[in-house]
Amino acid sequence: IAGITQAPTSQILAAGRRMTLRCTQDMRHNAMYWYRQDLGLGLRLIHYSNTAGTTGKGEVPDGYSVSRANTDDFPLTLASAVPSQTSVYFCASRATGTDTQYFGPGTRLTVL
Amino acid sequence: QKEVEQDPGPLSVPEGAIVSLNCTYSNSAFQYFMWYRQYSRKGPELLMYTYSSGNKEDGRFTAQVDKSSKYISLFIRDSQPSDSATYLCAMSANSYSGNTPLVFGKGTRLSVIA
Repeated sequence: IAGITQAPTSQILAAGRRMTLRCTQDMRHNAMYWYRQDLGLGLRLIHYSNTAGTTGKGEVPDGYSVSRANTDDFPLTLASAVPSQTSVYFCASRATGTDTQYFGPGTRLTVL
Repeated sequence: QKEVEQDPGPLSVPEGAIVSLNCTYSNSAFQYFMWYRQYSRKGPELLMYTYSSGNKEDGRFTAQVDKSSKYISLFIRDSQPSDSATYLCAMSANSYSGNTPLVFGKGTRLSVIA
């Protein structure tokens, strides 16, 4: 593994289903982020974690939850998916002492 | 007013042209400014990083920050078809803190035609 990996690459999901998007980084970065990217709206922060064991809400947290049990993993869960959650989801990480965020390749999620 | 405004384009230029991409912002507390490049169906990648006002050059790319006008620019010289991508500006007020995360522009889609 090099950098940030996300899984799945893409997913079609029925409304009402539960879904967890996975994110793993091997750079030992303390801070991690989840964004969604929608046409015309750009990147919007969903949740973030400054360090393992802590999480915080971003701009659009409703309908999403996260956990940060260890440094490397930062899963994003949709408890009951709705069509408005159709989007491309990006995970990112940042090393302490820098402003640079490194992004994963993204997960394309379609909720029908 | 959105915190960061960026013309979404699309912007289409011939190969070899000089490209100017811009963002304006309203929060005078922003001090850290970045440009990310995003190829189609890929994640954004950091292209340029500047602190406060001034210029920074890296090869064919120059980033400019004018804090007095709340205006940042990215110039691409001798543009190439491989520069075709979406360019996102990003900025933050406090370094090193997830509590003041990056604020992104919506991105400008650039096409460089051979």
